[in-house]
Amino acid sequence: QQQVKQSPQSLIVQKGGISIINCAYENTAFDYFPWYQQFPGKGPALLIAIRPDVSEKKEGRFTISFNKSAKQFSLHIMDSQPGDSATYFCAATNTGNQFYFGTGTSLTVIP
Amino acid sequence: NAGVTQTPKFQVLKTGQSMTLQCAQDMNHNSMYWYRQDPGMGLRLIYYSASEGTTDKGEVPNGYNVSRLNKREFSLRLESAAPSQTSVYFCASSNAQGVGETQYFGPGTRLLVL
Repeated sequence: QQQVKQSPQSLIVQKGGISIINCAYENTAFDYFPWYQQFPGKGPALLIAIRPDVSEKKEGRFTISFNKSAKQFSLHIMDSQPGDSATYFCAATNTGNQFYFGTGTSLTVIP
Repeated sequence: NAGVTQTPKFQVLKTGQSMTLQCAQDMNHNSMYWYRQDPGMGLRLIYYSASEGTTDKGEVPNGYNVSRLNKREFSLRLESAAPSQTSVYFCASSNAQGVGETQYFGPGTRLLVL
């Protein structure tokens, strides 16, 4: 059973556009929600993360929106650039325990 | 700082052969993890070690064994490789000291089992 459901599987966005990736979870014990970015041939790297006590976190062009009641969170990439082309994974964890990852979204930003 | 290193980078095995994937971290992290990454499946946890001397099963442990050799090193062994174990394997480490832990990933080992 997939603990964290991620959509879409792939996404194509024009340069300058907004990329939106969505994730949903069931386990209300999860208390930390990171997003990882992975370039081809590399390991995933932490991009941005949020705790459930806030509804939004912004770091540069990257924003996480968190809806605790709906058990959903999303990644927004503003002014998307070709260099943002990568695979993005959402994840969830109950602090100190296992991380559960989504299935990933392959983002392509067209110049 | 090298971070998390993995060896080998790429390996081809025949069905039934055995091999050990090596992982080391130089960040003095307590916790270490082994994941496999398959298309459409995301990252799935195989085994993890919350501290030196302890190991626990993750989501997909069958066919694998692990050893936490010391605080720095965590190895993954395939005793009798099967084609279903063809995958990209990632090692990760973290401090696991509470809220907001970050997992740092190695570059991966690409394994092909024929």
